[in-house]
Amino acid sequence: GENVEQHPSTLSVQEGDSAVIKCTYSDSASNYFPWYKQELGKRPQLIIDIRSNVGEKKDQRIAVTLNKTAKHFSLHITETQPEDSAVYFCAASGGGTSYGKLTFGQGTILTVHP
Amino acid sequence: NAGVTQTPKFQVLKTGQSMTLQCAQDMNHEYMSWYRQDPGMGLRLIHYSVGAGITDQGEVPNGYNVSRSTTEDFPLRLLSAAPSQTSVYFCASSYSRGLGGVPTEAFFGQGTRLTVV
Repeated sequence: GENVEQHPSTLSVQEGDSAVIKCTYSDSASNYFPWYKQELGKRPQLIIDIRSNVGEKKDQRIAVTLNKTAKHFSLHITETQPEDSAVYFCAASGGGTSYGKLTFGQGTILTVHP
Repeated sequence: NAGVTQTPKFQVLKTGQSMTLQCAQDMNHEYMSWYRQDPGMGLRLIHYSVGAGITDQGEVPNGYNVSRSTTEDFPLRLLSAAPSQTSVYFCASSYSRGLGGVPTEAFFGQGTRLTVV
């Protein structure tokens, strides 16, 4: 089955700095790569996603890049703000019988210091 | 739309008791899943379903049963609770889009915090 590794496990930055979180996946059939943000005590919520036919996607201060050959994808947050502090999870999902089945990374605790 | 609704939000069980966590969605999504979240381990898939009457095991299925009799509901049953099942449980739903069925955003319920003593 799919295996997703996420690094780093914790990330501390100053307000205004950029933050980068990286994930690798093992199943070359995976074709959907979402990123979720989870605040303390809350449910995970999608912040951005990318599909395998796209190399990069941006949404304001957030961007995701995908390298299918190397089987890794990354989340980039620019101009970080204290409200970006949360746990971030990457995930991968494949086709065929794996539709709707997400494999998550272990999570990154992002702390943005004012 | 209420989205994905889970009940209860909190539950304490004694070892050996059984219970059912409820999950319902009103978005007509075909895919529904159950995850458990433990510190430092992300979310791990317990069981999932690609439609009414179809279920399959995920990464950590032991000790749990599911059924999907309708599109809307996907209950998770703990057969005989153990302390190792102390966790936060999330239900999620999603759908596929277009030819080839590319997955789309998974919507999560608010979670159930389960403690087994």
